[in-house]
Order: sequence, then C-alpha cells, then structure tokens
Amino acid sequence: GENVEQHPSTLSVQEGDSAVIKCTYSDSASNYFPWYKQELGKRPQLIIDIRSNVGEKKDQRIAVTLNKTAKHFSLHITETQPEDSAVYFCAASTSGYALNFGKGTSLLVTP
Amino acid sequence: EAQVTQNPRYLITVTGKKLTVTCSQNMNHEYMSWYRQDPGLGLRQIYYSMNVEVTDKGDVPEGYKVSRKEKRNFPLILESPSPNQTSLYFCASSLSRRVDEKLFFGSGTQLSVL
Repeated sequence: GENVEQHPSTLSVQEGDSAVIKCTYSDSASNYFPWYKQELGKRPQLIIDIRSNVGEKKDQRIAVTLNKTAKHFSLHITETQPEDSAVYFCAASTSGYALNFGKGTSLLVTP
Repeated sequence: EAQVTQNPRYLITVTGKKLTVTCSQNMNHEYMSWYRQDPGLGLRQIYYSMNVEVTDKGDVPEGYKVSRKEKRNFPLILESPSPNQTSLYFCASSLSRRVDEKLFFGSGTQLSVL
C-alpha cells in the first residue's frame, strides 16, 4: 500500500520563526494531500489540503507545496505562535477510498 | 451542532472481556472510519464503511469488528481484547466516499487493556 514518510518527528522553533514539515509518498496515483492538526488531548482537524493539479496553496500563515515529480509535499507555517504547538499529520490518498497518514510531527513553539 | 460522538472517552478493561466503542454522527455522512493512534505510529485505519451495510478492512483490522446497520452509527467491537489493543481510538466521518472529502473526527477513546 501507500507509504507516507513524514519528517521531522519533532520540531522546536521560536515564536515568530517559520516551521517546515515534509512528507514523501510512494504511490504516483495519489492525488489528494491533506494536513491535519492535533492539539494536545484533542481530535485531529483538517487545516489545509492540496490536490495534484496545483503546486501550492496558501491560507493565511500556512501553506502547502506539492512536487509530484519528486513525490513530496510540505507544510509551511510562517510567523509561528504558541498556539501552533501541536502534532501535525500529513496524508496521501490511496487508489482506494482511504488516506494513508504519516507518523506525525510534534511541533513546539517556544515564546 | 454537527459532530461525531464517541463513547466512552476512557475505558479500562481486562484481557478477553468483550467491549464496544460507539460512534455516531449527525451530519448524514456516507463514509465512516475507525483509526487507532499509537506513539510513533501515527493514525492507522482499522475499518471503514462507505454506506449502510458496506464495510471493509483498513490497514490493521485484526482483532476488531464493525457494523453499519444505520447510517449514523458505526460501532467498533473488540470481541476478545488483548493488551496490544491498548491505544487511542478515533472514529471519523465524511460526507461522501470521495477520498478528498474532509474527515470529521470524534473526540477519541483511550482504551487500556490489562
């Protein structure tokens, strides 16, 4: 099945700095790539997604880029704030009706 | 309020004692799914359902059962729980079976099997 690798597993940045999380996938048929944010003790929630027909998508301080040739996509958070501290999961669609999730990145934003 | 409701939030049980974790959504969603979350392993799909009476295995189905008799409910059944099923479980739903639909997650069930 689809294999989604996510790096780094932990990331610590200072408030105001940028954070980048990268994911690679193996199935060239994958065409949908969402990112979910999970705050401590809470449920995962969709924060941004990208489809294979675009290379970049932005929503305020967060952006996702996709390189289909290299089979990788990245989440970029600019001007980080303490409330950005959470676990972030990338995912890639499979040829079926499912998403394969990466193992998650624990982001800590220190004041 | 549109939501996915899971119960219970916390459950401690012993090996071999059958249990059911309930999941209900009030959004008339077609697609429902169960995931388990383990440290360092992320979210892994257990079972999913694309509609009433239609269920299929995910990546880690062993030791679990599900049913979808009604559109709104998708219970997860552990017939004979074992300690390796100690985990955080999430139910999720989406409007349709399309893989690019937003997933709505329940609040999670922390299960400990002693």
